Amino acid sequence: GENVEQHPSTLSVQEGDSAVIKCTYSDSASNYFPWYKQELGKRPQLIIDIRSNVGEKKDQRIAVTLNKTAKHFSLHITETQPEDSAVYFCAVGVTSGTYKYIFGTGTRLKVLA
Amino acid sequence: NAGVTQTPKFQVLKTGQSMTLQCAQDMNHEYMSWYRQDPGMGLRLIHYSVGAGITDQGEVPNGYNVSRSTTEDFPLRLLSAAPSQTSVYFCASSYQRNQPQHFGDGTRLSIL
Repeated sequence: GENVEQHPSTLSVQEGDSAVIKCTYSDSASNYFPWYKQELGKRPQLIIDIRSNVGEKKDQRIAVTLNKTAKHFSLHITETQPEDSAVYFCAVGVTSGTYKYIFGTGTRLKVLA
Repeated sequence: NAGVTQTPKFQVLKTGQSMTLQCAQDMNHEYMSWYRQDPGMGLRLIHYSVGAGITDQGEVPNGYNVSRSTTEDFPLRLLSAAPSQTSVYFCASSYQRNQPQHFGDGTRLSIL
């Protein structure tokens, strides 16, 4: 079945440093790769996404890179700020059979001031 | 637009009771799904629907039923509540497949 692995599970960085979170997936038919941010007690919210015909996408301090051959994609946050502290989830849109989204297990990011 | 609305926000049940978690969206989204979130396990897909009248099982469907009689509503039914179903439940919707999902605020469910 489909599997999404996310690493690391926790990540602490100093304010101003960069943070990188990586996800790997198993289904080669996957074609949509979103990232969500979830603050404590809140709903997950989309921060950036990428589709399989694109290798990289940027939005200010956030970027996502995709390597379809190796079946992994990464979230990059530059110049981290305390408000970036949250749990981040990757997800994969799987097209095998009926379309569905499978999530990674999450990364708790702590930005230390 | 209200977005995705989930009710109730909190619920305590006794083992063996049944209940329905409500989810409604006003964005004319075709795709809707239910997830449960447990510490350290991320968001696990329970059931999903690609349109009215069509539902399918996700990763952890046992003990739950769904139906999709309208585009707007996607209720989740717990048939006979068990302590293992204690969790936070999120409903999400997207316009179509391959599109960002919008999440509701969640329902925190405790089974005693």
